[in-house]
Order: sequence, then structure tokens, then C-alpha cells
Amino acid sequence: AQSVTQLDSQVPVFEEAPVELRCNYSSSVSVYLFWYVQYPNQGLQLLLKYLSGSTLVKGINGFEAEFNKSQTSFHLRKPSVHISDTAEYFCAVSESGGGNKLTFGTGTQLKVEL
Amino acid sequence: KAGVTQTPRYLIKTRGQQVTLSCSPISGHRSVSWYQQTPGQGLQFLFEYFSETQRNKGNFPGRFSGRQFSNSRSEMNVSTLELGDSALYLCASLATGGMSGELFFGEGSRLTVL
Repeated sequence: AQSVTQLDSQVPVFEEAPVELRCNYSSSVSVYLFWYVQYPNQGLQLLLKYLSGSTLVKGINGFEAEFNKSQTSFHLRKPSVHISDTAEYFCAVSESGGGNKLTFGTGTQLKVEL
Repeated sequence: KAGVTQTPRYLIKTRGQQVTLSCSPISGHRSVSWYQQTPGQGLQFLFEYFSETQRNKGNFPGRFSGRQFSNSRSEMNVSTLELGDSALYLCASLATGGMSGELFFGEGSRLTVL
């Protein structure tokens, strides 16, 4: 079985500063990795995903993530955040070939301040 | 095109009652999965349906059940409600059978059990 750890439950950052949200996973098989964002009272929206190939993945809204197999990590980064990035971010993993089932981390609340 | 539609958006039930939640996936999507989101447990996978067949099931008691119709619409049912069933129930749809596609989430049905 796989698991996902998001070490930071909350990350405060000033507007226009860079941010990194950390995600580590555990799995005995090959995985697909995802980052989702959830705004208040809304569902989840896909930011980016890693399936295979280049380990640096670019997503929407200027976010990117790097897959590091040796460290089993998939950290999310943005070079300059905006107030509108304030939301909860979830890292998720699914076993490649394992069907449509995601295992989520506990989420990181990103709060962007002026 | 229209997104994933979940009804009702909000509902209040009392312990011991049962509830049925509905999900209409994006047109053409054949896979529907359900997740429970609570502050304590986070996002947890309930089950997945593909072409009217349950393909995956999470670790939830038998009180939680679901089904999918020939038009891909899905319903989930929770019988004998408990206080701990209060949660946001999210439905997600996928165009293909595997996770290489993007999972689209609805805005959820928020269930409160009194």
C-alpha cells in the first residue's frame, strides 16, 4: 500500500515570495504523482501530475514540481506567489496501472499575506 | 462542457437515517470515484465505478455503498448514519480507465449528521 506525507500543515508566506510545499511518498510499486488545490467550499482542481519522463513537471498558475525517485519526494514550488494562491494543497499518489484510486496527503494550507 | 455535478450540495440528517448522494460526471466520462473528506481523516477513497462495475473499494464499512448507471451517473448511499459520517463527499470523473488522464472533481455534497 502507498502513503503520502505532507510535513507542513500550514505555510505562511508573503506575496511575491517563493514557496515550496513538501511531499514525500511511500510505495513498493511504480506510482503516478499529483498535486491538487482546493479553494474554500470548492472541489479539488488538478495543478500538475507526474506520470513518467522528465522529472520536472510544470502545471497551471505558475506551479512546478520535481519528482525525486531516490528521495521519494514530489515537492511543489512557485517562484512568486500571489494572494489568490491562498488555498489548501494536496499531494496524491496512485499506483500506475492500479486504476482510478488516489491516496492523498493530509494537505498544506498555504496562506499568502501582503 | 459542463463539469462534474453533485447533488444535493448541502444536507442535514439525524443519526440512524440513510442518505443518497448523486453525481453526474462530465459527458463522455465512464469512470466515477467517490471520496470522503473530514478534518480528522482528510481525503479518503470510498469506491470507484467504471462501466457500471465497482472496480476499487476503500476501507469503509458496508453501510457505505454505491452504484453506477448506464449513463455513467453514480449514486452513493450511506445507511444507519453515525455522527462520524459528517463530511464533504466528493465525486470525481475520469475520461479513460486509467490514471493517465485527469481526474475532475465536483464541488461536493456536505453532509451533517445530528
